[in-house]
Amino acid sequence: EAQVTQNPRYLITVTGKKLTVTCSQNMNHEYMSWYRQDPGLGLRQIYYSMNVEVTDKGDVPEGYKVSRKEKRNFPLILESPSPNQTSLYFCASRSAGTETYEQYFGPGTRLTVT
Amino acid sequence: ILNVEQSPQSLHVQEGDSTNFTCSFPSSNFYALHWYRWETAKSPEALFVMTLNGDEKKKGRISATLNTKEGYSYLYIKGSQPEDSATYLCASDYGQNFVFGPGTRLSVLP
Repeated sequence: EAQVTQNPRYLITVTGKKLTVTCSQNMNHEYMSWYRQDPGLGLRQIYYSMNVEVTDKGDVPEGYKVSRKEKRNFPLILESPSPNQTSLYFCASRSAGTETYEQYFGPGTRLTVT
Repeated sequence: ILNVEQSPQSLHVQEGDSTNFTCSFPSSNFYALHWYRWETAKSPEALFVMTLNGDEKKKGRISATLNTKEGYSYLYIKGSQPEDSATYLCASDYGQNFVFGPGTRLSVLP
């Protein structure tokens, strides 16, 4: 089954404790992206990656890092989480080809930083 | 930062009513316009992707139109049903980055 998976789905952590949220897709998509969703603000793009070893900042990259060492994986790293990073996070992927532009979303990770 | 707007913010309709929402977006360097349906506790689900000015897409009772010259898209739902209740998101695609609107929350009352 074609899908985007994220882990963990729920996480409660404390300020300053490094964490990683994993994202994996099995559709051989070139493009992957991370979003955060906050009430009243819609989905905001954190980072995106056009292909392996190619990453770029979205609209709200501060406090986050990403890596793209393999095509299928795009982990989101919070080196020193802070309470303002409490949010719902979505990973997404899509093909970079010209025939389809549809973006597929993972199930979401709800992060709480105390 | 590019800004995508949606209106109305929320909408309550009776079962059987038809309704429509608006998405407006900056049209310079535009690549595609996406509509998503997002139910609580689920992931956004793609409805339509449109690229050309004048594009119209239809899926069952839901349809969408695109005007790239003036930078807007309409989503229409004909004969709303309670299962249509969700947040409808539009996103403007500039090739490398997506910019989402805040969504329109639709509630269909039986």
